Amino acid sequence: GIQVEQSPPDLILQEGANSTLRCNFSDSVNNLQWFHQNPWGQLINLFYIPSGTKQNGRLSATTVATERYSLLYISSSQTTDSGVYFCAVEQGGSEKLVFGKGTKLTVNP
Amino acid sequence: SQTIHQWPATLVQPVGSPLSLECTVEGTSNPNLYWYRQAAGRGLQLLFYSVGIGQISSEVPQNLSASRPQDRQFILSSKKLLLSDSGFYLCAWSVRQNQPQHFGDGTRLSIL
Repeated sequence: GIQVEQSPPDLILQEGANSTLRCNFSDSVNNLQWFHQNPWGQLINLFYIPSGTKQNGRLSATTVATERYSLLYISSSQTTDSGVYFCAVEQGGSEKLVFGKGTKLTVNP
Repeated sequence: SQTIHQWPATLVQPVGSPLSLECTVEGTSNPNLYWYRQAAGRGLQLLFYSVGIGQISSEVPQNLSASRPQDRQFILSSKKLLLSDSGFYLCAWSVRQNQPQHFGDGTRLSIL
């Protein structure tokens, strides 16, 4: 099956810093989503981005489908950005979102 | 707008007891519905999905089963829980295949 690798596995930042999270996948996909899991376990949709670039406030994402990777950018990080960020992909003809292992982000005040 | 509800939020059950977790979606018709499990705080694994009433597909063999008795209701069940069934269970919905999946708040299940 398709493999999803996220890097780095852990990231510690000072408030106000910028960061880039990466997601590599091993085959073509029809769906790619970025999620933020907060400390209470809620999985928050950040982006649906099978290709192209999107921005939402301090967050933006880019997926280069032909090269099988996606990037999530967090600018001017805040303590509330802490949590685990997941990339998940779905192939054509599949109902299954395959998740990476996540990047655990800690933003210190 | 669409909303998804899961309950209970937390559950502590003895080994060998039955299980029933419920998920309902509001504001949409004929959604695709999903049950995922997250173990050890990382990565989610799809357990079951349903594209319509009474239609259930299982992704991994296990001690659990799923049912969809109504269009917007998805139930996760077990007749006898095992210690290995502990974890964080999340329900999700989408309008159709390859469209964004939206998750409920999850049920944290502990087996004693």
